Amino acid sequence: EAQVTQNPRYLITVTGKKLTVTCSQNMNHEYMSWYRQDPGLGLRQIYYSMNVEVTDKGDVPEGYKVSRKEKRNFPLILESPSPNQTSLYFCASSLQTEVGANVLTFGAGSRLTVL
Amino acid sequence: KNQVEQSPQSLIILEGKNCTLQCNYTVSPFSNLRWYKQDTGRGPVSLTIMTFSENTKSNGRYTATLDADTKQSSLHITASQLSDSASYICVVSPDYQLIWGAGTKLIIKP
Repeated sequence: EAQVTQNPRYLITVTGKKLTVTCSQNMNHEYMSWYRQDPGLGLRQIYYSMNVEVTDKGDVPEGYKVSRKEKRNFPLILESPSPNQTSLYFCASSLQTEVGANVLTFGAGSRLTVL
Repeated sequence: KNQVEQSPQSLIILEGKNCTLQCNYTVSPFSNLRWYKQDTGRGPVSLTIMTFSENTKSNGRYTATLDADTKQSSLHITASQLSDSASYICVVSPDYQLIWGAGTKLIIKP
């Protein structure tokens, strides 16, 4: 089944403890992206990647890192999580790299709580 | 500033009734507008995508309209079902970005 898989789905951690949220897609998509979703706000883009080894900052990149060593994987790294990073995170991918034209396929989401 | 505003914030209707959700945008230049459906705890799923030249598009019981002159779009849901309970998100693209609305939360009651 064509899908975007995120892990973990739920995570509670403490301030400063490094964590990684994994994202994998099996559709051979070029474009991958991370978003965070907070109550009352639209999805905000954290980082995106047009291809292997090519990553770019989105609207809210502070406190996050990403890497794209393989086409299928795009992990989100929080080096030193803080409570304001408590949020619902979504990974998405698209066949097209042209952002304005692409239709995104989203993962099921990862709910992160930082105490 | 590029913005997408949706109304109402939330809506409760009875099963079988129709409803219309609104999206107003101040985005320039305009490339396309899409509507996503997001079930609680799940990722958004694309419903429709419309370019500048299209003013209506249907996907089953969902019909989206676009008025590029007034920069307004609506999503009409016909004969609502319990499974339509979800958030509906309007997204406008000014070429190289996606500008997301905050969504309308729709609850269908039996």
